[in-house]
Amino acid sequence: DIQMTQSPSTLSASVGDSVTITCRASQNINSWLAWYQQKPGKAPKLLIYKASSLEDGVPSRFSGSGSGTEFTLTISSLQPDDFATYYCQQFSSYSTFGQGTKLEIK
Amino acid sequence: QVQLLESGPGLVKASETLSLTCTVSGGSISSSNWWNWVRQSPGKGLEWIGEIYHSGTTNYNPSLKSRVTISIDKSKRQFSLKLTSVSAADTAVYFCASGLVLCSGGNCYSGIYDYWGQGTLVSVSS
Repeated sequence: DIQMTQSPSTLSASVGDSVTITCRASQNINSWLAWYQQKPGKAPKLLIYKASSLEDGVPSRFSGSGSGTEFTLTISSLQPDDFATYYCQQFSSYSTFGQGTKLEIK
Repeated sequence: QVQLLESGPGLVKASETLSLTCTVSGGSISSSNWWNWVRQSPGKGLEWIGEIYHSGTTNYNPSLKSRVTISIDKSKRQFSLKLTSVSAADTAVYFCASGLVLCSGGNCYSGIYDYWGQGTLVSVSS
């Protein structure tokens, strides 16, 4: 099984800040990684796929990078709507998700 | 755009079988997407259960494989999940999702979940 580890688990920030979330895979997954945003009571929403490709309709302040085992999601100029929980997910071998990073308002 | 809607009992007794159906609208169930089940519980976060292609080909999470069956009914535009011998650990919100496929270097990878159902809570009672 490929394990995905996100850090931090919780992140406090203010509107206008730039934040970065890290995701590490237990083995090489090349660029087969996606990022999702989830709000309470809702399904996850796809933000980024293949590590750095922005899903249609997702604001350009979201960006992803990395390959192999280490990946990052960066949100620049945080907006009020961005406060949510973020998950990484590998699909190199079956599919597994990270444990999530809760982005909260400072 | 594709819409997905889960349906099924919200309460299942321990040791019995959980059965859920996902109805697809706004798109073809015979497209190149794979059709997935994902669940979310407080204890285990998001967990992929398995997927099915319109041909009937399936892939399952190895940790659940012995208890899971996913099937498809193209005439009804539905795919379904059966999970046997449930316990409290199977209490979760169950989502269905469509999975995009990306191909590179002769290999194809499904697992980009672009459309999701709203989710349905299934509780297992003792």
